Amino acid sequence: GAGVSQSPSNKVTEKGKDVELRCDPISGHTALYWYRQSLGQGLEFLIYFQGNSAPDKSGLPSDRFSAERTGGSVSTLTIQRTQQEDSAVYLCASTRLAGDRYEQYFGPGTRLTVT
Amino acid sequence: KNQVEQSPQSLIILEGKNCTLQCNYTVSPFSNLRWYKQDTGRGPVSLTIMTFSENTKSNGRYTATLDADTKQSSLHITASQLSDSASYICVVSGSGTYKYIFGTGTRLKVLA
Repeated sequence: GAGVSQSPSNKVTEKGKDVELRCDPISGHTALYWYRQSLGQGLEFLIYFQGNSAPDKSGLPSDRFSAERTGGSVSTLTIQRTQQEDSAVYLCASTRLAGDRYEQYFGPGTRLTVT
Repeated sequence: KNQVEQSPQSLIILEGKNCTLQCNYTVSPFSNLRWYKQDTGRGPVSLTIMTFSENTKSNGRYTATLDADTKQSSLHITASQLSDSASYICVVSGSGTYKYIFGTGTRLKVLA
């Protein structure tokens, strides 16, 4: 089937505006991660959803960031009052258990540019 | 602090040549180590996954090695192709956690 999809692929917004990024995980994958990838940096963990459990939001950099996952499938990452330092690629990954290990499948990312 | 360091930061090689990328980590306790390939503008794609008991894992022209005692891994690319131009990311997972620690990657460029 289809892989992880993200939309939009690119987003340019003015400082102070709100943005919403969407992730459609692979059907049946129970775990979903959001990461942020800045130039020259490793992927930075933002938030983790697993089934119906409370999400791990420990990676969200400020209270301007929030995420939800509806019906255990589609997830939305919202950034309010965007700042220039929010410019980065936001990656979503869904995970499945394969044998004795978890395999992560990444989407293509959303490149966010805050002007 | 759990860290993953990769070297070199960038590498340029000629098509057909071999190369080896390095990864050192301090993650403990250790669960598994993964190598990903990330093409420009795309999400990372898994190449290999190795647990504590696995010393080597191959995927086509890619061969990863793991020395859990010295906490080092390498990714060897044989007979490089232009399509191998990408960033290669080493990722380590600790035991009992769902979080992954990502290296900053090695940017490989293969020239004709």
